[in-house]
Amino acid sequence: KAGVTQTPRYLIKTRGQQVTLSCSPISGHRSVSWYQQTPGQGLQFLFEYFSETQRNKGNFPGRFSGRQFSNSRSEMNVSTLELGDSALYLCASTPLGRASTGELFFGEGSRLTVL
Amino acid sequence: GNSVTQMEGPVTLSEEAFLTINCTYTATGYPSLFWYVQYPGEGLQLLLKATKADDKGSNKGFEATYRKETTSFHLEKGSVQVSDSAVYFCALTRYNNNDMRFGAGTRLTVKP
Repeated sequence: KAGVTQTPRYLIKTRGQQVTLSCSPISGHRSVSWYQQTPGQGLQFLFEYFSETQRNKGNFPGRFSGRQFSNSRSEMNVSTLELGDSALYLCASTPLGRASTGELFFGEGSRLTVL
Repeated sequence: GNSVTQMEGPVTLSEEAFLTINCTYTATGYPSLFWYVQYPGEGLQLLLKATKADDKGSNKGFEATYRKETTSFHLEKGSVQVSDSAVYFCALTRYNNNDMRFGAGTRLTVKP
């Protein structure tokens, strides 16, 4: 069974640009959540999608957005990039929504560098 | 709010040494508790979990016991190996949702 796939793995952008990251969950997993990992702030929850609906959102500005498609694939977008957005963005999926065991299955992440 | 505090690293041990990484939590009600591990260049993977008080999670020689009275979930291993070198994260969720709260992570290096 294929794991969570994130693309691209690495990317470099400049300030003011926007970026879109993609996540394909494990087959059959309907919930996708996104996390930002930085050396200073650690792992921070961005948002969670289930059945194409955002169910939960962390404390990030509106420049961070996401969506989920009918096949459960998800994208997140960051507009007007700032230097502080440089981070590893991790996607995680779970089989069900609130009925899941709580275990998150993580992808390897997309490393974004903003210059 | 819900949060996790874990001991700061880095931690450097010799092979076959005993490992303890402390983790305490703050949460209302009865959270589920987890330890995740991140190997270099990889995403996080679940190491072990416990969903109610006094449960012991175990995997690959690692153990952690859910202690509600001390709000702790300390990670232990009796004899570490070089291959255990990684970053370890303590985490919690409530109501099995995916807003998982992570600790800051503890980097473990095991030397031969």
